[in-house]
Amino acid sequence: AQSVTQLDSHVSVSEGTPVLLRCNYSSSYSPSLFWYVQHPNKGLQLLLKYTSAATLVKGINGFEAEFKKSETSFHLTKPSAHMSDAAEYFCVVRIYSGGGADGLTFGKGTHLIIQP
Amino acid sequence: ETGVTQSPTHLIKTRGQQVTLRCSSQSGHNTVSWYQQALGQGPQFIFQYYREEENGRGNFPPRFSGLQFPNYSSELNVNALELDDSALYLCASRGRGLTGTEAFFGQGTRLTVV
Repeated sequence: AQSVTQLDSHVSVSEGTPVLLRCNYSSSYSPSLFWYVQHPNKGLQLLLKYTSAATLVKGINGFEAEFKKSETSFHLTKPSAHMSDAAEYFCVVRIYSGGGADGLTFGKGTHLIIQP
Repeated sequence: ETGVTQSPTHLIKTRGQQVTLRCSSQSGHNTVSWYQQALGQGPQFIFQYYREEENGRGNFPPRFSGLQFPNYSSELNVNALELDDSALYLCASRGRGLTGTEAFFGQGTRLTVV
């Protein structure tokens, strides 16, 4: 079974400093992994995705993530935080069930706080 | 703007009632899935429809059911509402046949059961 664990429920950084949001996954085979962001009262937006191509994945708004199979990790980073980055971030793995269906399993989320 | 629209945006129902939530998929997307997001939690997969048939389900009871129509719009029906059904319900659409196809989410329907 596939699952993801987000290691921090809250992360607080100062504006202009680096961001690190940690995620570990569990999968019996090569996973498809995603990071989504959810701003208050807005829908989920895809930041980036890993689908067995390059292990360093670049996303929108300066975010990137590195797939490390040996560590079963897919941490999200950004060199310099901006106030607009304050939101809830979800690490997600695609799950496959019978009949060819595939849904998404979400982590519990990391609330990113940006201090001025 | 994802091209996925959900209605209504907010809804209040009484325990024991039935509710229908609606989703209009992005043009050209034939797969729709529904998720329940309780307050402070990540979304949980309810089920998925592909070409009008349910082809995958998460850990939700049968009183959660759905439909997908020929134009790929979709409904989520919940019978015998319980207080714990209060949540944000999200619809996501995507195409098929492409590896790692992105799921586009609507803004959700906030359901409150009292």
